[in-house]
Amino acid sequence: GAGVSQTPSNKVTEKGKYVELRCDPISGHTALYWYRQSLGQGPEFLIYFQGTGAADDSGLPNDRFFAVRPEGSVSTLKIQRTERGDSAVYLCASRVGGANVLTFGAGSRLTVL
Amino acid sequence: RKEVEQDPGPFNVPEGATVAFNCTYSNSASQSFFWYRQDCRKEPKLLMSVYSSGNEDGRFTAQLNRASQYISLLIRDSKLSDSATYLCVVNAMDTGRRALTFGSGTRLQVQP
Repeated sequence: GAGVSQTPSNKVTEKGKYVELRCDPISGHTALYWYRQSLGQGPEFLIYFQGTGAADDSGLPNDRFFAVRPEGSVSTLKIQRTERGDSAVYLCASRVGGANVLTFGAGSRLTVL
Repeated sequence: RKEVEQDPGPFNVPEGATVAFNCTYSNSASQSFFWYRQDCRKEPKLLMSVYSSGNEDGRFTAQLNRASQYISLLIRDSKLSDSATYLCVVNAMDTGRRALTFGSGTRLQVQP
């Protein structure tokens, strides 16, 4: 696609529920990143994919968070047993080849009640 | 200590003013530096890369001081449309991570 697409744009859920957030990167971009941004803060790194594999998942806060990219394109961030502290905007970004510049999607705003 | 630190502001300046933001980073092995702009409730977008020799793009000038580990952004002749949050961004290649580390941002409000 022309840009990074993220769905849903908004998600409201109850504490303890399971949530999936989807990212469709720019066509041809091999690297895909997930970041989380809380109000008044900068984006915080969660996980980075190079192709299908997670090259660095050191930013995932705990084992309730998991992400996949089975075919090297679309990625899904999965959050189990959501907590109120998980409320944030989840940003996906992609980049091409060896470039350092990231192109972000519009984000998925998650609210856990 | 945060990897990337910025003054959160807000910086309130009149139209036409010159304003400068600084940012410090803690990892001396950092290799790549950027300024991203983020409008309210929007995603971050690349404003400009920062090169060792300094670089300019229209009204925007970025400088890097490796010895002191800080980056600056200067905006001349501020426009109302420059109102946004400016994010300082660093990539430290020695970690093996190809992810960018973001500061918390400096908010700029340009007033008529």
